[in-house]
Amino acid sequence: GENVEQHPSTLSVQEGDSAVIKCTYSDSASNYFPWYKQELGKGPQLIIDIRSNVGEKKDQRIAVTLNKTAKHFSLHITETQPEDSAVYFCAAIAQGGKLIFGQGTELSVKP
Amino acid sequence: GAGVSQSPSNKVTEKGKDVELRCDPISGHTALYWYRQSLGQGLEFLIYFQGNSAPDKSGLPSDRFSAERTGGSVSTLTIQRTQQEDSAVYLCASSLDGVTGELFFGEGSRLTVL
Repeated sequence: GENVEQHPSTLSVQEGDSAVIKCTYSDSASNYFPWYKQELGKGPQLIIDIRSNVGEKKDQRIAVTLNKTAKHFSLHITETQPEDSAVYFCAAIAQGGKLIFGQGTELSVKP
Repeated sequence: GAGVSQSPSNKVTEKGKDVELRCDPISGHTALYWYRQSLGQGLEFLIYFQGNSAPDKSGLPSDRFSAERTGGSVSTLTIQRTQQEDSAVYLCASSLDGVTGELFFGEGSRLTVL
């Protein structure tokens, strides 16, 4: 079945710097890759997603890139702000439609 | 409200007791998911319901875990004979079509087994 690996597990950056989180997946048939942000005490929320027919997608300060050949995708956050501090999860859709998540990255943005 | 609702928000139980966790998805969403999140850990897939299809139970960790979805809406996750390792936050999510749609998560039910 689908396996999603996410790195790093923790990431600390200075406000204004960029942050990059990387994920790999195992099922070459996967065609949908969302990213979720989880703030303390809340459920995860979708922040951006990408489908397999494109290689990059941007939404203001966040962007996601996808390399289907290498089976990896990345989240890029530019000009980080303290409110970006949270746990970020990548995910890939597995056979049958279930969403499999990575282990999460705890991002800390220091003022 | 219009979001996914879970109850109870917190549950403390003794080892060996049965517990039931409830999820009310967003009206009209055909797909419903249960995930488990242990302290500081990722989101572990448990079970997935899509419309009238047979649920995907491949993530249930043991036969002590079961879930049902009545009338295509409310879902109940049942854990029998709870163990301390069952302590975690149980998250429910729903989506409109269950294929490549956004998952909307509830705030979770925190289970503590003493």
